[in-house]
Amino acid sequence: AAGVIQSPRHLIKEKRETATLKCYPIPRHDTVYWYQQGPGQDPQFLISFYEKMQSDKGSIPDRFSAQQFSDYHSELNMSSLELGDSALYFCASRPGLGAYNEQFFGPGTRLTVL
Amino acid sequence: GIQVEQSPPDLILQEGANSTLRCNFSDSVNNLQWFHQNPWGQLINLFYIPSGTKQNGRLSATTVATERYSLLYISSSQTTDSGVYFCAGYYGGSQGNLIFGKGTKLSVKP
Repeated sequence: AAGVIQSPRHLIKEKRETATLKCYPIPRHDTVYWYQQGPGQDPQFLISFYEKMQSDKGSIPDRFSAQQFSDYHSELNMSSLELGDSALYFCASRPGLGAYNEQFFGPGTRLTVL
Repeated sequence: GIQVEQSPPDLILQEGANSTLRCNFSDSVNNLQWFHQNPWGQLINLFYIPSGTKQNGRLSATTVATERYSLLYISSSQTTDSGVYFCAGYYGGSQGNLIFGKGTKLSVKP
């Protein structure tokens, strides 16, 4: 079965650089979520999209922005990177909004900021 | 407040042993999911279990929504079961983002 695809899988950046993470949801899933997991932490919700519109916002820094495109893939843009942005970034998808179905996670992008 | 609490935080088992992991969740959280995060960082869906009991091989889960807890059972543990087990639930006031517990770190020794 098709899964959520994320690219790149690993990314190394310098402080103050920018990074773009991509997420391709499971086919026919129109809702996408982004989560950030710091070392030794649990995943924290950043932002979500439903039908190409932002649906909810969590603890996402102002330096980060995201969007969902017409083919439902999503991109997380991160600017002025800081050391503290080093983390695993997960994308998850599911069909529709509401809280009545399962959410599936991609393999994650491991971002290291030097 | 919004809470998802897991216990124990750490667990060490000998291969072949059984274990039970617990997840307590507050009134504003529902529709629990269990995940296994392997040593490479991948989050693997184990169960979506708003209520009742489900089984998948050596793993099973039970959620008693009225009492706000869920249990994950691992039988005949194997070294490949090592990793962190997270439970997560939907926060009622959100558009479906998950609230995670702090996880249970499981180490299975050969």
